Amino acid sequence: EAAVTQSPRNKVTVTGGNVTLSCRQTNSHNYMYWYRQDTGHGLRLIHYSYGAGNLQIGDVPDGYKATRTTQEDFFLLLELASPSQTSLYFCASGDRDSDYTFGSGTRLLVI
Amino acid sequence: GDSVTQTEGLVTLTKGLPVMLNCTYQTTYSPFLFWYVQHLNEAPKLLLKSSTDNKRTEHQGFYATLHKSSSSFHLQKSSVQLSDSALYFCALNNYAQGLTFGLGTRVSVFP
Repeated sequence: EAAVTQSPRNKVTVTGGNVTLSCRQTNSHNYMYWYRQDTGHGLRLIHYSYGAGNLQIGDVPDGYKATRTTQEDFFLLLELASPSQTSLYFCASGDRDSDYTFGSGTRLLVI
Repeated sequence: GDSVTQTEGLVTLTKGLPVMLNCTYQTTYSPFLFWYVQHLNEAPKLLLKSSTDNKRTEHQGFYATLHKSSSSFHLQKSSVQLSDSALYFCALNNYAQGLTFGLGTRVSVFP
């Protein structure tokens, strides 16, 4: 079954720490997205990609890097984590003629 | 850029009553609108979608009609159930840049 899998499910790190969130999709979609979800802000787009090696900036990119290593894998990197990055992160995949599929989310706490 | 407005942050109502959640949007592209539902500790899941003007779309008792003249895509249900308690997001698709979400409306249904 086609899916989007995120890891880890939960992560705690210290301020200034280095964090990598992983996302793998088996939908054969070209587009992959990273969103963060915060109360009062809905879901906001951080970065997205339309293929391996491609990266596009979303609406709230500051403090985040991303890399799309393959069609299936999309990573979100926080190189100097800050408490403001405490959030629930969702990865999604999609294409023009298909629905978006979301992963189960990664809950990140920066202390 | 694209934007989606949901005017209600919280809707509380009694089981069996009707509900309408408002959604309006702004885009320079041909609109493709979605409603997502997110239950507690779960990922957003697609509820409804439409790109056809003035055509009602239905799923799981929920329905919505895209009205391009008023840039609206309101979500309705005739009789809510306890299981409908969730967070509902309206979203607009610009395929090049992913989904733009509204802030969400939390629906709480009481017995």
